[in-house]
Amino acid sequence: QSALTQPASVSGSPGQSITISCTGSSSDVGGYNYVSWYQQHPGKAPKLMIYEVSNRPSGVSSRFSGSKSGNTASLTISGLQVEDEADYYCNSYTTSGTLYVFGTGTKVTVL
Amino acid sequence: QVQLVQSGTEVKKPGSSVKVSCKASGGSLTSYTITWVRQAPGQGLEWMGRITPILEIANYAQKFQGRVTITADKSTNTAHMELSSLRTDDTAVYYCARERGNYFDDWGRGSLVTISS
Repeated sequence: QSALTQPASVSGSPGQSITISCTGSSSDVGGYNYVSWYQQHPGKAPKLMIYEVSNRPSGVSSRFSGSKSGNTASLTISGLQVEDEADYYCNSYTTSGTLYVFGTGTKVTVL
Repeated sequence: QVQLVQSGTEVKKPGSSVKVSCKASGGSLTSYTITWVRQAPGQGLEWMGRITPILEIANYAQKFQGRVTITADKSTNTAHMELSSLRTDDTAVYYCARERGNYFDDWGRGSLVTISS
């Protein structure tokens, strides 16, 4: 099972919106609404930001939103803030050789 | 919210085994599924496997089948992940997390495992 494909890096200025894509196949992203997104700051454990494609856990800013179209899921961060600078990983349930697969990860830089 | 407290840093030799623990507080382990994820230095997250203690069922990623064993001790509210036949590329931070449905909402702080001769 190969990792889901994410861009290596995305950047934006404070206040802007950015979108991170997560591309898989019909065996994972495209086949189920079981995509989640995690934020990871250096040296810290991942933090759940979005679950089941577009749901936000309690306590996560409404600036974070998720969506999906076909085999590609997306995470959008609006009103970008300095504290959003981190690595972001998508994850999906899969039927290919493992139960879950993570994305390759995207480094978000706030310019 | 459950707190997951993981065991400390380990240094192991190639070919040996390591057992990492994950103690749950703020709830009974039997109420959760515990998943294990690792992250090699400078690399991404990798799902390894999970256990559902109440059912005593473990599932493993194909990549680790035969090398990883995930168990749960209900009496101590602790899950364990044992990885055998260690190689230098098993050097990583190993995380446990609570799996809720199909996502991971509470994470331990991670356990660094270094494999070196």
